[in-house]
Amino acid sequence: AQKITQTQPGMFVQEKEAVTLDCTYDTSDPSYGLFWYKQPSSGEMIFLIYQGSYDQQNATEGRYSLNFQKARKSANLVISASQLGDSAMYFCAMREGLRNQGGKLIFGQGTELSVKP
Amino acid sequence: NAGVTQTPKFQVLKTGQSMTLQCAQDMNHNSMYWYRQDPGMGLRLIYYSASEGTTDKGEVPNGYNVSRLNKREFSLRLESAAPSQTSVYFCASSEAQSFYGYTFGSGTRLTVV
Repeated sequence: AQKITQTQPGMFVQEKEAVTLDCTYDTSDPSYGLFWYKQPSSGEMIFLIYQGSYDQQNATEGRYSLNFQKARKSANLVISASQLGDSAMYFCAMREGLRNQGGKLIFGQGTELSVKP
Repeated sequence: NAGVTQTPKFQVLKTGQSMTLQCAQDMNHNSMYWYRQDPGMGLRLIYYSASEGTTDKGEVPNGYNVSRLNKREFSLRLESAAPSQTSVYFCASSEAQSFYGYTFGSGTRLTVV
């Protein structure tokens, strides 16, 4: 069964520094997708970045990059040059198989990031 | 604006009462989902509908029922609310044949007293 694990309940980072949020996953399906979402205190789920299991390059979106280590089954989110507005809950999620399972996303427990001025 | 609309945004129920959470999407997505979010547990899948006319259980289906009314609408029903169902509920939709394009509603904060 697929599983997502985020082992850091809370993280602190100084403004303008980089921070890495950890995510490990488990699946037996060779085809899967990995996602990161941000949830600010207002509650909405904001999509940040996506990595496909067959993608050769690590995904990047502005200040966000995904450090994808397939053999280790890890998909860590790196936020460069942290800003106060980055303070939020961050969720890692996975979807198995393009045509299986109805496309459902399975989420990790989340990491609460606090950016200090 | 295109997206996923959930109603209501807030609700307080007494134990044993029933209610239906409504969700509608206008992106012509095939798949729709209901999640609940509890502190320290992330989002857990309650039910999902891969396409119109089908529904399947997720990780935590007990105490809930769903109806995929048409392609746009996917409702979640609590027949007899319990305090353990106090949570924030999110509806989402996606195009099943694509890894992209998950859209979440703004959530319903439900309290059962």
